[in-house]
Amino acid sequence: NAGVTQTPKFQVLKTGQSMTLQCAQDMNHEYMSWYRQDPGMGLRLIHYSVGAGITDQGEVPNGYNVSRSTTEDFPLRLLSAAPSQTSVYFCASRDRLGTGELFFGEGSRLTVL
Amino acid sequence: EDQVTQSPEALRLQEGESSSLNCSYTVSGLRGLFWYRQDPGKGPEFLFTLYSAGEEKEKERLKATLTKKESFLHITAPKPEDSATYLCAVRAGSARQLTFGSGTQLTVLP
Repeated sequence: NAGVTQTPKFQVLKTGQSMTLQCAQDMNHEYMSWYRQDPGMGLRLIHYSVGAGITDQGEVPNGYNVSRSTTEDFPLRLLSAAPSQTSVYFCASRDRLGTGELFFGEGSRLTVL
Repeated sequence: EDQVTQSPEALRLQEGESSSLNCSYTVSGLRGLFWYRQDPGKGPEFLFTLYSAGEEKEKERLKATLTKKESFLHITAPKPEDSATYLCAVRAGSARQLTFGSGTQLTVLP
């Protein structure tokens, strides 16, 4: 089982560039989310989705955009990259029912120069 | 606002030296407390879910316990392969989301 797959693993951008981090899951999970992880700050929620066509903002949504056209995919778009967006990004999913545990991808390390 | 505080930030143990990691939380109506393990360069990996005070869960050398204000992750006779960052998270009230602590980085020396 692939689980949650994120691409790319590493990316370097210049300030002002845009890009999309891809996330796909093959577990038929309704809930998907994006977190960023910065040293000493833990995981912070950016955006989440409870199903296809439904998205909502998390704790730190500014500068990011998401869409959910299918159950499997939940891409995260950086509209105009800033150095403050240098971070490690994790996509996670879970079943709507069950114990609520999240399944995480391997992460995407983004550097904005 | 839900808050999760983990201590210590970092812990170095000798192989076989048992210890505990702490996760203190402030939430409205706990719906679950989660422990994750994160290896360098990897995503967090689920360990345990605890739902109510007094509950305990075990897995190999790890044992998680829960009170009304905090959770402990006890590590008995750790081995170097237990070295990782351990994350605590809570799900509260009607929230769909998890709130994470900043983690404890555990290093077990041979």
